[in-house]
Amino acid sequence: EDQVTQSPEALRLQEGESSSLNCSYTVSGLRGLFWYRQDPGKGPEFLFTLYSAGEEKEKERLKATLTKKESFLHITAPKPEDSATYLCAGRSRDDKIIFGKGTRLHILP
Amino acid sequence: KAGVTQTPRYLIKTRGQQVTLSCSPISGHRSVSWYQQTPGQGLQFLFEYFSETQRNKGNFPGRFSGRQFSNSRSEMNVSTLELGDSALYLCASSSGTGKDTQYFGPGTRLTVL
Repeated sequence: EDQVTQSPEALRLQEGESSSLNCSYTVSGLRGLFWYRQDPGKGPEFLFTLYSAGEEKEKERLKATLTKKESFLHITAPKPEDSATYLCAGRSRDDKIIFGKGTRLHILP
Repeated sequence: KAGVTQTPRYLIKTRGQQVTLSCSPISGHRSVSWYQQTPGQGLQFLFEYFSETQRNKGNFPGRFSGRQFSNSRSEMNVSTLELGDSALYLCASSSGTGKDTQYFGPGTRLTVL
C-alpha cells in the first residue's frame, strides 16, 4: 500500500536554528514528490516538486532534497513567519496523490 | 492569474442533510481534485475529474460524489451528512497532464451538527 510518513509531528525551533523535516515514502512508481506549506485555516501552498533521486530545489530559506526512500525539507536560519504545517505528498504510478500528515513547525522569536 | 476559488467558505448543516460545494480551477487547468482534511486523518483524496470524467477515486463511501462541467468548474456533493463529515474540504487544480503540480483553493469548512 502506498504510504507517506512525515516526522517529526511537531517541531519547535528558536529563530535562526536550522533543522530538517523528514518525509519517508513507499509510493509505487513515484511520479513526483511534492512539498506544501499550510497556514491555519488556509489551503496548502505549493513549495516544490522533485522527480528523481538526487534532485534538489531551493527557495529562500528552504531546500528540498530527494532520495529513493526519503525527502528532506531543510530550513536554514528560520524566522517566525516560517511557522506553519509542512506537508509532503507523493504521486503514484496510477496518478493518485498520497499526503503525509504533516509537520507542525513553530519558530520562536 | 486568478487562483483556485471555492464556495462557500463556511457551511453549517445538520445530520441527514445534503450539501454541495463548488470549485473553480485556475484558468486553463482541466483537472480538479477534491480532498477531505481532518485533524486525525490529515489530507485524504476523494476523487479527481479531468475533462468532465472521473479519472481517479479514493476510498470514500458513495455518499460522496462529484461532477465537472465543460468549463472545468467542479462540484462535490455529500448526501445524508454524518457528524464525521465535519472537515475542511479542499479543491486542487492542475493541467492534468503528466508531471504537473496541484494548486489548492482556500477550502470549505463544513460543520455537521
